[in-house]
Amino acid sequence: EPEVTQTPSHQVTQMGQEVILRCVPISNHLYFYWYRQILGQKVEFLVSFYNNEISEKSEIFDDQFSVERPDGSNFTLKIRSTKLEDSAMYFCASRGVRNTGELFFGEGSRLTVL
Amino acid sequence: AQSVTQPDIHITVSEGASLELRCNYSYGATPYLFWYVQSPGQGLQLLLKYFSGDTLVQGIKGFEAEFKRSQSSFNLRKPSVHWSDAAEYFCAVGGLEYGNKLVFGAGTILRVKS
Repeated sequence: EPEVTQTPSHQVTQMGQEVILRCVPISNHLYFYWYRQILGQKVEFLVSFYNNEISEKSEIFDDQFSVERPDGSNFTLKIRSTKLEDSAMYFCASRGVRNTGELFFGEGSRLTVL
Repeated sequence: AQSVTQPDIHITVSEGASLELRCNYSYGATPYLFWYVQSPGQGLQLLLKYFSGDTLVQGIKGFEAEFKRSQSSFNLRKPSVHWSDAAEYFCAVGGLEYGNKLVFGAGTILRVKS
């Protein structure tokens, strides 16, 4: 069964460093999302992406964040200068053209900022 | 705007007992409703979903949920809980009107005692 894959599964970084989290969505999907879950808290929407541009972003998604689909298969989330409060699990999700409303989530990338 | 309320932060049930996790939503149109389960440190696994039609939906692992429009609820049930069901459960709402962005509830942590 096709799945969304994310790398790395866990990354530890120093405050102020740049981080890129990578996602490979399901191959025929065209809508992509990033969500964040701070430890012990709920899953929060960050950004949605379609047709090579951001469709919607939350207030969490400030200028330190960016997304890109660099090569037609990967979908990346970049945090330019990480802060302690960026420590969280980041989930990538995708959905197909046929709108069933269902998002398919990856296993997540855990980011720890020291 | 969409929102989801899961009124119970923690629930403890005995193994073999029945379970009901509550979920109330706010949504301006016909919602898509989901229940996800998350084991510690793991990703989100879809248990079941409601898009339309029969208001009682069956999911994996013996779970079911009932959509009650009049009560704006989508409660998750299981007739007999197993120790392996201990995890955190998230209810989510989405739909076409909001670009299929899912909004998650705060989650309910299920503990199973033997």
